[in-house]
Amino acid sequence: AQTVTQSQPEMSVQEAETVTLSCTYDTSESNYYLFWYKQPPSRQMILVIRQEAYKQQNATENRFSVNFQKAAKSFSLKISDSQLGDTAMYFCAFMGYNNNDMRFGAGTRLTVKP
Amino acid sequence: EAGVAQSPRYKIIEKRQSVAFWCNPISGHATLYWYQQILGQGPKLLIQFQNNGVVDDSQLPKDRFSAERLKGVDSTLKIQPAKLEDSAVYLCASSSPSGGARGDTQYFGPGTRLTVL
Repeated sequence: AQTVTQSQPEMSVQEAETVTLSCTYDTSESNYYLFWYKQPPSRQMILVIRQEAYKQQNATENRFSVNFQKAAKSFSLKISDSQLGDTAMYFCAFMGYNNNDMRFGAGTRLTVKP
Repeated sequence: EAGVAQSPRYKIIEKRQSVAFWCNPISGHATLYWYQQILGQGPKLLIQFQNNGVVDDSQLPKDRFSAERLKGVDSTLKIQPAKLEDSAVYLCASSSPSGGARGDTQYFGPGTRLTVL
């Protein structure tokens, strides 16, 4: 079964600085999808960024980008120019190619300090 | 576009009581999911519907949990009888406007926080 590991339970960053959240996963599949979701204190999960494993180019969405290392099974999230509104739980998630069963990591609590 | 709606937002019950949660997905989304999120953990899939049929319920504790999706739109998740360890946030999500495309993004509702005393 696929597992997702987020080794940083908590992180903090100063406003306007850059922070990187780590994620590793375990799978025997060659094609799959990876996601980062944000869950602010209001608890509604919001998609931050999505990566398709068969695409070598790293996904970017404005201030958010990923470093996808397929051989190392690593999928880190970089947040540039951190803002106070980025304070939230961040979850890394894996989805197999042939199903929509998404497996989540335990999350990283990010605090952006003024 | 309206998002995924869930109700109630909060529920407190005694153990051995029953409880039901309701979810209305984004209009046109064929796939609906129920997740359980225990405090300090990531969400865990309980059940997945494609239209009104069950695709995956392998992690649903079927002795006490049940779910249905009548007419392929709204869904209800029920717990009967509840146990202390059922205290969690129950999240509903929907996806697949195209009806089952691979890797579809899931859109989540605000969740229902259940406390079992």
